[in-house]
Formats: sequence, C-alpha cells, structure tokens
Amino acid sequence: DAGVIQSPRHEVTEMGQEVTLRCKPISGHNSLFWYRQTMMRGLELLIYFNNNVPIDDSGMPEDRFSAKMPNASFSTLKIQPSEPRDSAVYFCASREHFQETQYFGPGTRLLVL
Amino acid sequence: GESVGLHLPTLSVQEGDNSIINCAYSNSASDYFIWYKQESGKGPQFIIDIRSNMDKRQGQRVTVLLNKTVKHLSLQIAATQPGDSAVYFCAETPNSGNTPLVFGKGTRLSVIA
Repeated sequence: DAGVIQSPRHEVTEMGQEVTLRCKPISGHNSLFWYRQTMMRGLELLIYFNNNVPIDDSGMPEDRFSAKMPNASFSTLKIQPSEPRDSAVYFCASREHFQETQYFGPGTRLLVL
Repeated sequence: GESVGLHLPTLSVQEGDNSIINCAYSNSASDYFIWYKQESGKGPQFIIDIRSNMDKRQGQRVTVLLNKTVKHLSLQIAATQPGDSAVYFCAETPNSGNTPLVFGKGTRLSVIA
C-alpha cells in the first residue's frame, strides 16, 4: 500500500493567493483528518470526515479555510486568501471506520510570504 | 525578534542505553492509547498501541506501559539507536472508534552516538 499521499510536498506562495492542498487516503479507509503543525501550537486537528461527510470542523481557524471530500479517495484543504500566519506543515491522516489508529501522510510544508 | 514556540521536553540518551518517554493524560474515559514517532521532515508514524484492559504491551525494542490509576503512559525503547532520534507523541481516545485521537505535545529524543 502506498500509504496516505499528499500533494504538493512543498508550497511557497504570496499573501493573498489561494492555496489548495490535496490528500489521497489509504484505500478502504473511511475516515480522513486534516492537521496543522507549527512550532507555536504543535499538532492541531482542523477537520475530519467520516464516509466523506465532515463531522467536526471546529478546528478550522476561520472562514478562509475550507475542506472538501468529494469521494472516498480524495480530499482538499483550501486557504483563500492565504496569510503569512498560515505557514505550517499540513498533514492528512486516514483510518478505517471504527478503528482508532490513524495513518499520516508525509505532509505539505506551506510557506506564505 | 525572538520567536516563542513550544518548549518540547527533551530527553538525551547515550546510544545503547534504554530510553523512557513519559506521557500524562487527563481523560479517565480514554480507552485506547498510541505512540507515534515523528522524524524531521516526515509525518508521525505509528509505533505501538495499547488498550485500557492491558498494563503492558511489547513490540520490537519498544514497550508501552499504562497506569490507569495515575493516568500515565510510558514508552520504553531498548538499546536506543541514532535512528531513534525523533519527536515522540502519545495520543488517546475513548473507545468509540469514531472520534479523533487527542495528541500530547511531544517529547524530543536525542541519541548521543
């Protein structure tokens, strides 16, 4: 299995630009999680989906952030417009339904100038 | 100016010695516990897990101990190697099988060759 796949691995953009991060969960996994990791705040849960349905988005910082999961094999996290304080590593994780273990992707390192 | 970030606890261990990384949790309802290892530039990787009906579980060179009375979890690494240098996170969840893991702040392990 290829594991959780994220793209791009690195993204550098300018303030105000739209950023789209992509995630392909492990095949057969029903739950998907988006996390943000910074030195200041550590690992934060932004949003998670069960069976493509968003369950809890209380971790999403503000309306500039949105996430979608149009099908079981693809999810996006969008930031529009991006700001320098959004600079972080964004991780996607997935797991099988009713299993606790989450498997993480390699992350997308975002730098907003 | 100087940036302020998370001050991760750091454990420095001589190569070949045993390492013990500790974690306190607060939710007495937590039923499942897991340790992740995060190497620089990578996503967190599953190491070992344990359920609340167990006190101890062993893997290859790693042992997890759970003390529910004092809500304490520890990870023991035998014969620590340079490749063990990483940040280690504990995580917990109630046994609903449908809620995200709650992550600790992490401990940085540095192995001195």
